Amino acid sequence: QQPVQSPQAVILREGEDAVINCSSSKALYSVHWYRQKHGEAPIFLMILLKGGEQKGHDKISASFNEKKQQSSLYLTASQLSYSGTYFCGTDSGGSNYKLTFGKGTLLTVNP
Amino acid sequence: DVKVTQSSRYLVKRTGEKVFLECVQDMDHENMFWYRQDPGLGLRLIYFSYDVKMKEKGDIPEGYSVSREKKERFSLILESASTNQTSMYLCATLRNEQYFGPGTRLTVT
Repeated sequence: QQPVQSPQAVILREGEDAVINCSSSKALYSVHWYRQKHGEAPIFLMILLKGGEQKGHDKISASFNEKKQQSSLYLTASQLSYSGTYFCGTDSGGSNYKLTFGKGTLLTVNP
Repeated sequence: DVKVTQSSRYLVKRTGEKVFLECVQDMDHENMFWYRQDPGLGLRLIYFSYDVKMKEKGDIPEGYSVSREKKERFSLILESASTNQTSMYLCATLRNEQYFGPGTRLTVT
């Protein structure tokens, strides 16, 4: 079952902040975040492992609440280059390592 | 530099044709995946493979099959293409993070 992402779309002005949420009905071992620009393949942003770890680099960070089976991606002081569709991919552990992706959140950053 | 390549960026086929989508990786990764991507539906897993000659069904395997004869190559096969298989197809490997190919946009007319 796909994780649920919210919001489906968000429009920002440069410099504004955004939060994208990812929620699963299954217990999670890890959560991945990817960004996809139009016409390109998704690229990896970060992975969060079971343990409630918060990660980040530059102005993009993420948290993982394993008890709630939720992850949030935080984009601060957004830049034009942040525009794209953001996907979370969840891994429930077990013998098969594979990701189940949400439907995506379209982020548009305007000047 | 990590590379996943797909045989075609764009493909147009007729209903009922047999279609092969090829994916090659140069990273020596065991795990390979095929996804289809449709607007508003995100990335949905079709099939995956953890080793040569090994395959597992994903969430939407109907109408598809796969082949993995060599570690670096993972093929997706549409036995009899239908218009509802018009989509973007993405191949990927997975080790710590998922590495995606550029995608093949398939149109079935």
